[in-house]
Formats: sequence, structure tokens, C-alpha cells
Amino acid sequence: AQKITQTQPGMFVQEKEAVTLDCTYDTSDPSYGLFWYKQPSSGEMIFLIYQGSYDQQNATEGRYSLNFQKARKSANLVISASQLGDSAMYFCAMRGIYNQGGKLIFGQGTELSVKP
Amino acid sequence: NAGVTQTPKFQVLKTGQSMTLQCAQDMNHNSMYWYRQDPGMGLRLIYYSASEGTTDKGEVPNGYNVSRLNKREFSLRLESAAPSQTSVYFCASSERGLGTEAFFGQGTRLTVV
Repeated sequence: AQKITQTQPGMFVQEKEAVTLDCTYDTSDPSYGLFWYKQPSSGEMIFLIYQGSYDQQNATEGRYSLNFQKARKSANLVISASQLGDSAMYFCAMRGIYNQGGKLIFGQGTELSVKP
Repeated sequence: NAGVTQTPKFQVLKTGQSMTLQCAQDMNHNSMYWYRQDPGMGLRLIYYSASEGTTDKGEVPNGYNVSRLNKREFSLRLESAAPSQTSVYFCASSERGLGTEAFFGQGTRLTVV
């Protein structure tokens, strides 16, 4: 079975500071992919970043980076230089290699609030 | 390019009524999904379809049925709605593959009274 855990229901960060959102996972698949999505108050789901379990380097996309620690089964999202528009729900998700056609599993989410 | 389109956007049902949520994608994706989102629970997978003609249960399938009508369309049916099914429902689609991102519809806010 696969499981994603996000233990921070809510977080605050000061504008222009960096913030780390935690994500731990559990899977028995030998290869898997990890995703982060953003959900602003308007409700749409926005894909942010992807990390493959065999990727040699941590993924980066602009101000987003993924701190991937395979041995610890963690895939934390780091947002640098936070902006007011970063206030949103953030979801970590995973797909295993034996479920390439489906079963994208999400965590509980972390609500990030950026303070001016 | 419309992406993933869900209808309706809002719906109020009485307990015991039935309804079908419609979803269509125009990206020629093989995989389609239905999720429900509840506060503190994140997105939970109800059913998914890896390809036209196949469907599989997700984490919370009880009380729901699905139909993969063709490659474009994947519908979710509530046969006898219950207050516990009050939620926001999302349809999504993706290409097959480990690292393929899922594209989401705008969601359906369903209230069962």
C-alpha cells in the first residue's frame, strides 16, 4: 500500500522568507514519482514540481525546489522568497511504478499563509 | 484548449436522490480519476480508469459507481446520496507513465441535505 503524510495542517511565513513544507511517504514500489500541487482559494489544482525516485538531482522549478531524501522517505517542498500569492493549500502526491495508469495518491495538505 | 471539464459546478441533493457527475477531457489522456476533497483529509481517490473500458477502485469507492464511456469521458454516479457524501469532487486526467502530471477540472461542490 502507498501512503502520503503531511503533518503540518497550517503554516505561516513572512513575505520574502523561505519555507519548507513537509511530506513523508511510504511505498513498496521499487520506483515511484512524487508531485507537489498548489490549490489557491479559487480551488483549482496547479502542478508545481515532480521528482522521480531515481533522479540524481533534486528537482527545481523557479522558486520551488524539492528536498528529496530517499532513505528517510521524505520529499519536502521548499519555496524560496515567499510571495503573498503563495498563500494556498499545498498537496504532496505519489504514484508508484506498478500503478502507472492510475492511483495518484495525495496527502492531507498544508495550508500556507504568507504574511506581509 | 478546455483541458478537463466537469459539470455541474454546484449541486444540492436531498438524501436518497441520485445524480451523475460528468467529466470530459480533450487532451487524449488514457488515465482518468475521480477524487473527493474534504477539510483535513486532502484529496482521496474514489475511482480511476487506466484506459478506456477499465475502471478500478481507489481509497474510498463505497457509495459510488463510475463509467468510462469512451476515452474522453469518465462519469461518477451517486445512486443514493448521503450527507457523508457532501464534498468537493474533482475529476483529473493524465497520460500513462510514472512522472506524468495530472490535470484537474474545476471541481464540483456537492451538498447532500
